[in-house]
Amino acid sequence: KQEVTQIPAALSVPEGENLVLNCSFTDSAIYNLQWFRQDPGKGLTSLLLIQSSQREQTSGRLNASLDKSSGRSTLYIAASQPGDSATYLCAGAGSYQLTFGKGTKLSVIP
Amino acid sequence: ETGVTQTPRHLVMGMTNKKSLKCEQHLGHNAMYWYKQSAKKPLELMFVYSLEERVENNSVPSRFSPECPNSSHLFLHLHTLQPEDSALYLCASSPQTGSGYTFGSGTRLTVV
Repeated sequence: KQEVTQIPAALSVPEGENLVLNCSFTDSAIYNLQWFRQDPGKGLTSLLLIQSSQREQTSGRLNASLDKSSGRSTLYIAASQPGDSATYLCAGAGSYQLTFGKGTKLSVIP
Repeated sequence: ETGVTQTPRHLVMGMTNKKSLKCEQHLGHNAMYWYKQSAKKPLELMFVYSLEERVENNSVPSRFSPECPNSSHLFLHLHTLQPEDSALYLCASSPQTGSGYTFGSGTRLTVV
């Protein structure tokens, strides 16, 4: 059974800092890995999708990497802004479902 | 809007009520899902439909009953719920199972 762990559970950084969020998964036989953002009380917004054959994906200030052999993914956020404050979730896709971590709650202080 | 629309956004219901949650997607996706998000717990998969056929039922109590009349619509029928069923219920769709997911904004359910 797939298990996804995200470290740290919460992170507070000053505006402008670069930061890395970590995700680890137990079953390397994933179809893809997806990073989401969730604002309080809201749904999930997809940030980046990395297929199992890919090593990384980039979108603007975000870069996500995937290392299936070690069961790890990272989300790098460059030049953080207060608007980046949210909970970030990673999820590994199996044949029928996404398995989620508990998320990292990010606070960017102006 | 992400392309996946959920209604209502908020719902308060008594333990003896019957209500339904609705999800609609116009992305041309063939798979749809219901997830439950409770406080301090990871999102939990409830049901998976692929091409209108239920392919996964994650040991969900029978007081939750899904319905997928076509590939664009998904319902979750609720009856005789318990207070511990209060949560954010999220609908998602994907081109096919195992591919990139798009989520709706969720229905915040409170059972009193």
